[in-house]
Amino acid sequence: AQTVTQSQPEMSVQEAETVTLSCTYDTSESNYYLFWYKQPPSRQMILVIRQEAYKQQNATENRFSVNFQKAAKSFSLKISDSQLGDTAMYFCAFMKQAGTASKLTFGTGTRLQVTL
Amino acid sequence: DTAVSQTPKYLVTQMGNDKSIKCEQNLGHDTMYWYKQDSKKFLKIMFSYNNKELIINETVPNRFSPKSPDKAHLNLHINSLELGDSAVYFCASSQPGSYGYTFGSGTRLTVV
Repeated sequence: AQTVTQSQPEMSVQEAETVTLSCTYDTSESNYYLFWYKQPPSRQMILVIRQEAYKQQNATENRFSVNFQKAAKSFSLKISDSQLGDTAMYFCAFMKQAGTASKLTFGTGTRLQVTL
Repeated sequence: DTAVSQTPKYLVTQMGNDKSIKCEQNLGHDTMYWYKQDSKKFLKIMFSYNNKELIINETVPNRFSPKSPDKAHLNLHINSLELGDSAVYFCASSQPGSYGYTFGSGTRLTVV
């Protein structure tokens, strides 16, 4: 079974600064997909960024980028130029295969607070 | 137009009651899911349906019964509600591929 670990329950960053959220996972699969989801106080789950394991290039979406280290089974999220609206819970998630009914396995989340 | 919509958004009910949560998606996705988020914010899959067929059924009490009348709808019925059922329940949908899920806004169920 796959497991996803987020070792930072809470983090804080000042506005305009950069912060990195950690995620490690355990799997015996060679091909899989990794995601970061954001859950603001509104409770909505929002996809932030995704990465295919077979791609060596790290994914980037505007101010969000990942550092994907396949051998180390590490998938960290970097948020640049942090904004107050980035305050949220962030969940790392693993998907074993992109087929029918692929199960997303989530980590326990990191609560990020962006301060003035 | 909301892509994945759940109703109700909030549900407060007494122990022992039976309740349902409805979910509809207008994305044309073939697969729908129910996830439970507990008080510690941990998200865990409960069920998945692909085109009305049950695909994933995690270890969930029999009191929980999903129903999918068509591929755009996945409802969750809960019998004999218990205090421990209090949580946020998320519906989601996806298509085969690496694009992840689209989630509904969640239903906060409180059992008193």
